[in-house]
Amino acid sequence: NAGVTQTPKFRILKIGQSMTLQCTQDMNHNYMYWYRQDPGMGLKLIYYSVGAGITDKGEVPNGYNVSRSTTEDFPLRLELAAPSQTSVYFCASSYTDTKHPEAFFGQGTRLTVV
Amino acid sequence: QKEVEQDPGPLSVPEGAIVSLNCTYSNSAFQYFMWYRQYSRKGPELLMYTYSSGNKEDGRFTAQVDKSSKYISLFIRDSQPSDSATYLCAMSGKGGATNKLIFGTGTLLAVQP
Repeated sequence: NAGVTQTPKFRILKIGQSMTLQCTQDMNHNYMYWYRQDPGMGLKLIYYSVGAGITDKGEVPNGYNVSRSTTEDFPLRLELAAPSQTSVYFCASSYTDTKHPEAFFGQGTRLTVV
Repeated sequence: QKEVEQDPGPLSVPEGAIVSLNCTYSNSAFQYFMWYRQYSRKGPELLMYTYSSGNKEDGRFTAQVDKSSKYISLFIRDSQPSDSATYLCAMSGKGGATNKLIFGTGTLLAVQP
């Protein structure tokens, strides 16, 4: 029972480099989210998607892009990495079913930009 | 004003103490109120959730929602060292764009043996 799977678990990027954080869920959830968590802080919403082909900005979208071509996958793209993007990134998914509103999280990707 | 505000802590209590964790919110469209627990270097996991106002109990944990005051609480009775973690409140609306989860900043709890 995989749930939400994120890859990679760790990554070091140089300033200006690009990368894609992968996220896959096997629960057939329609909602998917990307959050970042800075040390000692809560989760800030970067982007979210309510279904395949539909994405929207969260609280801190600058410097990131997303796409949702399938129900299962929701990759997060960093185009020009900056030190301010050093953080732990969490992908999550949920139903819109009102009996099951909770989100399920992946284990996170620790990104350092140097 | 942030949509969700959470007492930042950190909180340190002796084993067996009653712990109270709190959040306030500003968006009256929120209908689902959740508490997540996050252990160090792990993803958050749902502890419990409540729909609309009222109380919900699950073992040593009780969640309370007061929609009139826009205030939610999580109580932990007989706290254990294994309860040491960061606790995050989260809220969402009933559907559409309001269904996205908004989190508080989290409260770091340490239960001392």
